[in-house]
This record gives sequence, structure tokens and C-alpha cells, in this order.
Amino acid sequence: DGGITQSPKYLFRKEGQNVTLSCEQNLNHDAMYWYRQDPGQGLRLIYYSQIVNDFQKGDIAEGYSVSREKKESFPLTVTSAQKNPTAFYLCASEGRGLYTEAFFGQGTRLTVV
Amino acid sequence: AQTVTQSQPEMSVQEAETVTLSCTYDTSESDYYLFWYKQPPSRQMILVIRQEAYKQQNATENRFSVNFQKAAKSFSLKISDSQLGDAAMYFCAFILTGANSKLTFGKGITLSVRP
Repeated sequence: DGGITQSPKYLFRKEGQNVTLSCEQNLNHDAMYWYRQDPGQGLRLIYYSQIVNDFQKGDIAEGYSVSREKKESFPLTVTSAQKNPTAFYLCASEGRGLYTEAFFGQGTRLTVV
Repeated sequence: AQTVTQSQPEMSVQEAETVTLSCTYDTSESDYYLFWYKQPPSRQMILVIRQEAYKQQNATENRFSVNFQKAAKSFSLKISDSQLGDAAMYFCAFILTGANSKLTFGKGITLSVRP
């Protein structure tokens, strides 16, 4: 089935450790996004990528890093520099053309203890 | 820069009644897409409805319809015959048709449905 997959669904890490969240899509979409969502809040853009080997900072990029080595994959690393990393993280891919639309993964709940 | 504003953080509707969720946006461009996404308690984002800016006709999907006012930069969502399953957070979103534009979301509105 075509879609976008985030893994894992739940992730626990100790404070001070880097952690990488996975996002894979087989929709042949050029654009991919990472959003952070805090309880009862909206989506805040962390990073986005319009094409392989290129990405741009969003509104809250500090403490995060990404790579886009393959069209299908856009992993997000939450570094120890991120002051408050506990949150829900959503990945999306966006298709352009006749039906421009964003598809979302199921999300990763990261808890840092 | 493009912005999307959802000024109402919460709304409530009686089951079977109609509710309208508001959204305004700001852009100097003329070609773009607008969306409403639903996020139920499962947190899976679901596309509710899409509107192309060049189309004058308002989009409709079953019980969901939009009132797209391009000059006023307004894009409201009307939910008719509200059901308990409509309870969710709803996000308005915007993207230009250009290749290098990014998807921009509003802050969202939490809709509750009273039985």
C-alpha cells in the first residue's frame, strides 16, 4: 500500500541523548515535512525538504537536524540541544499536480526522562 | 510570508446541528490551495476538503462544505448534520502552487459535539 510511515510510535529517551525519528514514504512525493505538536496545540514546522539533498529550517529548527539523502526518507534527529523535546512529532509528504495534498504519518510520541 | 489564522480555539455543536469553523489567510499571490484537515483523538491527520483558488465554486464533500471568499481571504468550513465522530481538532492549511512553497497551518480549533 502507498503511504507514509513513521516509526516508532512511542519513544523514550534519557535526557542528554540524541534520538532519531524515522519517516519513510512510497508516494513518490518530492516534498516532506516535520512538525511538532504539543498537547492541545497546533502544528509547528521544524524542517521541510522540497527535493533530495536540500532542506530548509522551519519556525522551530533549533535543537533539531534532518537529512534527505533519498526521496523516500526524511529522518529527524532530536539533539541534546533541544531544551524541551517531549512532544508529538508528525511527518508529512506532499504531492503536487492535479491533486495537491499532504499525507501524514501516524506520528511519534517522544518522551524524554 | 503566508499566514493562516484560526481565531476560535474551541467550538461546540449539538449533534445533528450545523457548525461553521472560520479561517482567514494572508497572501499576495493568486494561485494556491486551501485545505481543512481533521485530527481526531487518534492524532491521525485526515484531509477533509480541498479548494483550488482558481475555482469559484465552493468545494463540497458529503456533509462538509466550504465558503471560499477569495477577495476577503476567508475559507470557512461548514459541517452539516454534525455527528459524534466529528469531534476533533480541525486545521486550516494553505500552500502556494509554486514549486518552492511550503505547507502552512493555522493553530487549529477543537470541536466538541454534544449528544
